[in-house]
Amino acid sequence: GENVEQHPSTLSVQEGDSAVIKCTYSDSASNYFPWYKQELGKRPQLIIDIRSNVGEKKDQRIAVTLNKTAKHFSLHITETQPEDSAVYFCAASHGNNRLAFGKGNQVVVIP
Amino acid sequence: DSGVTQTPKHLITATGQRVTLRCSPRSGDLSVYWYQQSLDQGLQFLIQYYNGEERAKGNILERFSAQQFPDLHSELNLSSLELGDSALYFCASSVGGSGFNEQFFGPGTRLTVL
Repeated sequence: GENVEQHPSTLSVQEGDSAVIKCTYSDSASNYFPWYKQELGKRPQLIIDIRSNVGEKKDQRIAVTLNKTAKHFSLHITETQPEDSAVYFCAASHGNNRLAFGKGNQVVVIP
Repeated sequence: DSGVTQTPKHLITATGQRVTLRCSPRSGDLSVYWYQQSLDQGLQFLIQYYNGEERAKGNILERFSAQQFPDLHSELNLSSLELGDSALYFCASSVGGSGFNEQFFGPGTRLTVL
């Protein structure tokens, strides 16, 4: 089955700087890559997703890039704010199959 | 609020016991997913149901079972509980049964096994 890995496990950034989280996946047939954000004590929520027919997608301060050849995709958060502090999970699926989640990245934004 | 509800919010029990976790999906969603979240393992997919039928199985132990009822609510049964079963259990729902559908997570049930 699909195996998704995330790096780094913890990331600390100064408020206003950018944060980048990278995920790798193992199944070259995977074609859907969502990112979920989980704030402390709360449920995971979808923040952005990308399909394999595009290389990049942006939504205000967040963007996701996909490199199918290298089998990795990344989450970019610009102008970080304290409310961006959370655990971020990447996931991958082959459309008709279930999502395989990574273990999560803890992002800490230092005011 | 995602529209997905889970009960109970907290559950404390002893080793060897059996518990049932309940999930009601968002109105209109046909798929229900169960996940186990522990500190070192992230979000582990357990099982998925779609319109009453099992659709996919993940790392679900034989001591665990689930079902989805005609009204689409789902229950996760955990038996012969061990200390290592202590975790946060999330239910999620989606409109369809494919991996393309956004999953909406419930608030979770925190299980503590003493």
